[in-house]
Amino acid sequence: TQTVSQSDAHVTVFEGDSVELRCNYSYGGSIYLSWYIQHHGRGLQFLLKYYSGNPVVQGVNGFKAEFSKSDSSFHLRKASVHWSDSAVYFCAVRSPNTNKVVFGTGTRLQVLP
Amino acid sequence: GPKVLQIPSHQIIDMGQMVTLNCDPVSNHLYFYWYKQILGQQMEFLVNFYNGKVMEKSKLFKDQFSVERPDGSYFTLKIQPTALEDSAVYFCASSDRDRNTLYFGEGSRLIVV
Repeated sequence: TQTVSQSDAHVTVFEGDSVELRCNYSYGGSIYLSWYIQHHGRGLQFLLKYYSGNPVVQGVNGFKAEFSKSDSSFHLRKASVHWSDSAVYFCAVRSPNTNKVVFGTGTRLQVLP
Repeated sequence: GPKVLQIPSHQIIDMGQMVTLNCDPVSNHLYFYWYKQILGQQMEFLVNFYNGKVMEKSKLFKDQFSVERPDGSYFTLKIQPTALEDSAVYFCASSDRDRNTLYFGEGSRLIVV
């Protein structure tokens, strides 16, 4: 069974700061990893995904994530955040033998002016 | 981008009554999902659906829950009878063959009183 954990429930930064949102997973084999963003009162929107190849993947709006097999991680990063990046970010996993996408508990990012 | 529409956006219902949540997925998508979210917290997988059949379901998908997509119309989640603990926001999602990129609707907020 694949599991995913997001250790930070809340992260607060100032506009223009860089940010890293942490995601760790546990699964014995190859796994699909992705990130989604949820603005308040809205549905989730896909940001980026990884399965194989270059461990650094670029997403929309300047987001990128880096896969690390040794750390079982897929952390999301942005070099310079904007107030509109304030939202909840969900890391998600899916193993190749299932259609089920499992989400982490989410990290609420607050960007202060 | 592609849109998933959910109807209704809000519904208040008496405990024990039946409710049907409707989802109009992205055209030509093949896989359909329902997730449950309480108080903006974790996205809990309920069920996925493909080729007219339930593929996987979680323990949250109680016997009172059912899904169908008759004749390619709405993908529906029916709860009969409803219970107080069914109060939540229910999100529909769909995907094409790339099951790692889910497109979500804006959610249906269900309040059971």
